[in-house]
Amino acid sequence: DVKVTQSSRYLVKRTGEKVFLECVQDMDHENMFWYRQDPGLGLRLIYFSYDVKMKEKGDIPEGYSVSREKKERFSLILESASTNQTSMYLCATSLGSSYNEQFFGPGTRLTVL
Amino acid sequence: AQSVTQPDIHITVSEGASLELRCNYSYGATPYLFWYVQSPGQGLQLLLKYFSGDTLVQGIKGFEAEFKRSQSSFNLRKPSVHWSDAAEYFCAVESGDMRFGAGTRLTVKP
Repeated sequence: DVKVTQSSRYLVKRTGEKVFLECVQDMDHENMFWYRQDPGLGLRLIYFSYDVKMKEKGDIPEGYSVSREKKERFSLILESASTNQTSMYLCATSLGSSYNEQFFGPGTRLTVL
Repeated sequence: AQSVTQPDIHITVSEGASLELRCNYSYGATPYLFWYVQSPGQGLQLLLKYFSGDTLVQGIKGFEAEFKRSQSSFNLRKPSVHWSDAAEYFCAVESGDMRFGAGTRLTVKP
């Protein structure tokens, strides 16, 4: 089974702090994704990566950056956290070819005070 | 514009009753279709998927979904709901990139 782990289940940070959310997968998947989930809005794609050191903007990249130095690890960075970034953050992975299902981590619930 | 619509934000059914969750999409070609379930505090788990072939697909936990091209729909069904099915359900469509609906929250009454 694919295992996707996220570094924290719950995180509380203060406005202006730099925040790192880590995602690690153990199935050698090429693609990795970061979503945020908010009530009534479903999942919105922040960034994704098709390969090491590659990154592509999703629908809502503003205020975020990502890093993928190793195939199995995809980090989401909030350079200066703001209260409107309080949300559930979900990491997902999929095989390299198109039209494959995505496998999700358990999520990190981030609260920015 | 490409979109996925789940018309029902919240549905309540009694345990043992049948269930149908609606999903409509707007895409130029037939996309790949998925249903995911999210239990409270958890990530998303794949219930079933449709790529081609038989338009009625079976998934895990006794769920099935039917693809209807003429209606651009991919509704999820279960003949008899269990209390453990209470969760949020997401329809997703893949046509080059994955798009998710806003979700339907299912409550199961005893």
